Amino acid sequence: EIVLTQSPGTLSLSPGERATLSCRASQSVSSSHLVWYQQKPGQAPRLLIYGASSRATGIPERFSGSGSGTDFTLAISRLEPEDFAVYYCQQFDTSPWAFGQGTKVEIK
Amino acid sequence: QVQLVESGGGVVQPGRSLRLSCAASGFTFSSNGMHWVRQAPGKGLEWVGNIAFDGSSEYYADSVKGRFTITRDNSKNTMYLQMNSLRAEDTAVYFCARYVGDMGLDHWGQGTLVTVSS
Repeated sequence: EIVLTQSPGTLSLSPGERATLSCRASQSVSSSHLVWYQQKPGQAPRLLIYGASSRATGIPERFSGSGSGTDFTLAISRLEPEDFAVYYCQQFDTSPWAFGQGTKVEIK
Repeated sequence: QVQLVESGGGVVQPGRSLRLSCAASGFTFSSNGMHWVRQAPGKGLEWVGNIAFDGSSEYYADSVKGRFTITRDNSKNTMYLQMNSLRAEDTAVYFCARYVGDMGLDHWGQGTLVTVSS
């Protein structure tokens, strides 16, 4: 079973700052099978990044994903007010297709 | 446009059963695998299980294996989650989501709340 560990748990930043979120897997994951989601309070998650680095439809260029093997990163170049939310990674390499525990990006 | 609508949530006593539905529209339902994901109040996302596009296979999280069953009826564009022997820790919002190969879960329903309490 692959366990995904996200860090930090909470990131306190100001609008305009850069956010860097980490997702570490307990064993190697194919980059093709690593995705990121954004979730705002009271809403369903939204697909942000698939294949570790490809933006989903309609996702702004300020969101970028990178990484391979066991270490993956989601970066938000300049935080907009609507970006303050919780972010989750998920792997589709091996069942169970678990999520990381999430990183909350909050306004400082 | 793609739409997923969950229904069937509610309050149920521990040990009882409940069946959730996920009605799909706006795409060829029989072409996509489907997943259930849940979120306990104030907690993160937990993958529950999935079913292949043709219903030929399912996979489950250990926490629900043997108690939950996922089925689908492609003629009705609907997926189901049969939940038996419910426990307090199954209390959560249950989301259904469409799986698109390596893109992951690209569309989600709004969720339905299940509360297990005596």
